[in-house]
Amino acid sequence: ETGVTQSPTHLIKTRGQQVTLRCSSQSGHNTVSWYQQALGQGPQFIFQYYREEENGRGNFPPRFSGLQFPNYSSELNVNALELDDSALYLCASSPGTGFLYEQYFGPGTRLTVT
Amino acid sequence: AQTVTQSQPEMSVQEAETVTLSCTYDTSESDYYLFWYKQPPSRQMILVIRQEAYKQQNATENRFSVNFQKAAKSFSLKISDSQLGDAAMYFCAYRILRGSQGNLIFGKGTKLSVKP
Repeated sequence: ETGVTQSPTHLIKTRGQQVTLRCSSQSGHNTVSWYQQALGQGPQFIFQYYREEENGRGNFPPRFSGLQFPNYSSELNVNALELDDSALYLCASSPGTGFLYEQYFGPGTRLTVT
Repeated sequence: AQTVTQSQPEMSVQEAETVTLSCTYDTSESDYYLFWYKQPPSRQMILVIRQEAYKQQNATENRFSVNFQKAAKSFSLKISDSQLGDAAMYFCAYRILRGSQGNLIFGKGTKLSVKP
C-alpha cells in the first residue's frame, strides 16, 4: 500500500509568483486536507477536499485555492505569493471526512518565498 | 478561540528514562478527540496516540501513555524507556466531533532530544 506522497520536495519562488503543490492520497482515501506549517509552529488547517468538493476551510485568504481530481489526488495553489507564505505544506489523506477517520500525513513540500 | 498550548518548547531525556510532555487545550466543545503526533526531522508526521474525550481511561500504546484530565483540559504524554528513535518534534492536537471536517488543531510542538 502506497502512502501519501507530495511533490515537489522543495520549491523556491519569488514574491508575487504563483505556485502549485501536489498530493497523492493513500489508496482507498477520498479525503485530502492541507495544512501550512510555518517555521517553529504547529500545522494550521488550510482546507479539506472530499470527493472533489471543498469541504471546509480554515482562516486563509482566497489566494489559497485547491482542486481534487477523480483519483482523489489534490493540488494546492497559491497566487500572489508573499514572504509569509514560506512554510512546510503538508497534505493528509483519510478514508472519509470527520472525526472518525485518522489522517495520514505526507512528507510535505518546503516552500521558500524570496 | 480554540487553542492548544504546549508550554515546553524543548525537552531532553536520557536514554531508557521517562519523560512527560505537557499539553493544555481550550475548547467549548464537549465531544472531541485528542492526539499526540510525532514529526521526526525531515520525515512524515505520524500518530503516536489518541484519546476519546468521553473515555475516562487513559490511552496507552506500548511505551507511550497519556494523562488526560478533562476538567483541567490537560493532556500530557509520557514516554517510558526512551529510545534514540524517539527524538523528534511532538505535537499535541485535538479534533472536535461537531461538523464534518474533522480538521486538527495543533499546538506549537515540543522538541524532544534523547541523550545516549
